[in-house]
Amino acid sequence: GQNIDQPTEMTATEGAIVQINCTYQTSGFNGLFWYQQHAGEAPTFLSYNVLDGLEEKGRFSSFLSRSKGYSYLLLKELQMKDSASYLCAVRDGDYKLSFGAGTTVTVRA
Amino acid sequence: GAVVSQHPSWVICKSGTSVKIECRSLDFQATTMFWYRQFPKQSLMLMATSNEGSKATYEQGVEKDKFLINHASLTLSTLTVTSAHPEDSSFYICSAKVRQGDSGELFFGEGSRLTVL
Repeated sequence: GQNIDQPTEMTATEGAIVQINCTYQTSGFNGLFWYQQHAGEAPTFLSYNVLDGLEEKGRFSSFLSRSKGYSYLLLKELQMKDSASYLCAVRDGDYKLSFGAGTTVTVRA
Repeated sequence: GAVVSQHPSWVICKSGTSVKIECRSLDFQATTMFWYRQFPKQSLMLMATSNEGSKATYEQGVEKDKFLINHASLTLSTLTVTSAHPEDSSFYICSAKVRQGDSGELFFGEGSRLTVL
C-alpha cells in the first residue's frame, strides 16, 4: 500500500508563491501526480512526475525525488481562482492511484 | 485530452433502493476504469478496479455485493449501489486509463453525488 502525507491547509496572498510538499512511502512506484480539486467538483490533472527533477508547466511546477520519497507542487503568481484542494497521488505498477488527504490552499487578496 | 462522462451528477434516493451510476469514455477506449468514493473534506478512496470483460477487483473493506461493478464494453463501466443506506451518501467518481498511447494520466468523470434519505 501507499502512505502519502501532505499538509492539511495553506494560506497565501494573491501574487505570491506557495509550495505544497508531499512525502510518500510505497511498496511500488510508477509515477506521482498532482491534481486540483475545487469544492464539489472532480479532480483535474495538473502534473505528472516519474523521473527525478522538476517539471514546469506555466505557473505550476512539480518536483520529484524518488530516493527521498518526496515531491512538491509549486504554485507561482497565485490567483484567487487557485483556491482549491491539491491532491498528491502515487501510482503503483497496476496503475492504481492512491491519494493523499489533500492540501486546501486559500488565496487571499 | 480524453473525456470521461459520468451520469447522473446528482441523485437522491430512499433508503433501501438501488442506484446505478454510469461512467463512459467518450473519445477513447478504456480497458481499465477505477471507482473512487469521497466523503466531505476527505480525499478520494479507491473502491474498485473495473476491467473490461472480467470481474472487478475490490479494495479491502469494500463490499462487492453492495457495490456492483459491470464493465461490459471498452467505453462503459457502471457502479450500482444496492440497498442504499444514508451512510452510503458520498461523492462517487470514476476514472479511466487510455488503452494505447498512455501518458500515464487518468481522466476523471465529473462525479456523482449520492444522497440517501
